[in-house]
Amino acid sequence: AQKITQTQPGMFVQEKEAVTLDCTYDTSDQSYGLFWYKQPSSGEMIFLIYQGSYDEQNATEGRYSLNFQKARKSANLVISASQLGDSAMYFCAMTSFSGFQKLVFGTGTRLLVSP
Amino acid sequence: GAGVSQSPSNKVTEKGKDVELRCDPISGHTALYWYRQSLGQGLEFLIYFQGNSAPDKSGLPSDRFSAERTGGSVSTLTIQRTQQEDSAVYLCASSLGGFTDNEQFFGPGTRLTVL
Repeated sequence: AQKITQTQPGMFVQEKEAVTLDCTYDTSDQSYGLFWYKQPSSGEMIFLIYQGSYDEQNATEGRYSLNFQKARKSANLVISASQLGDSAMYFCAMTSFSGFQKLVFGTGTRLLVSP
Repeated sequence: GAGVSQSPSNKVTEKGKDVELRCDPISGHTALYWYRQSLGQGLEFLIYFQGNSAPDKSGLPSDRFSAERTGGSVSTLTIQRTQQEDSAVYLCASSLGGFTDNEQFFGPGTRLTVL
């Protein structure tokens, strides 16, 4: 079974600063994918970034980067230069490549960006 | 192009009634997923369709829940004899169905309220 743990229910950051959202995972699979999604108050789930377990380099997408530490089973999201529009819920999720492709989600972290 | 669409956006029903929720995936996406998001349970996988393969129904919480996907495209999630604990946002997602970098694109969700 797979499990995602997000230990930060809420995080605060000032505009233009960087913030790290924590995510640890547990799986017995050798091949898997890790995802981060953003959910603003409107409710839509927006894909941010993906990391495959076999990728040696950390994924980056614009202001988002994923700090992947396989041995520690962590996949933290780093948002650089925070913007007011980054205020939202952030979910870490994973899928296994060995079977069906369902996403297993963590409980989420609510990020608040202040001016 | 058009994203994943869901209808209705909101549904209020009385306990014991049946409801049908509809999902139109992105054209060309072979994989379709249903998830449920509620305050108490977070984001839960319900069911997954991939092409013509038998669906993965492992996440359906009871036999009151069923889903079908017609012609490899539109999907309907049916909840029979609704209960108050069924109140949640039901999210549909679709993907290309590959085994790697399998980003799932989410619809806006259907908010179900059972009175």
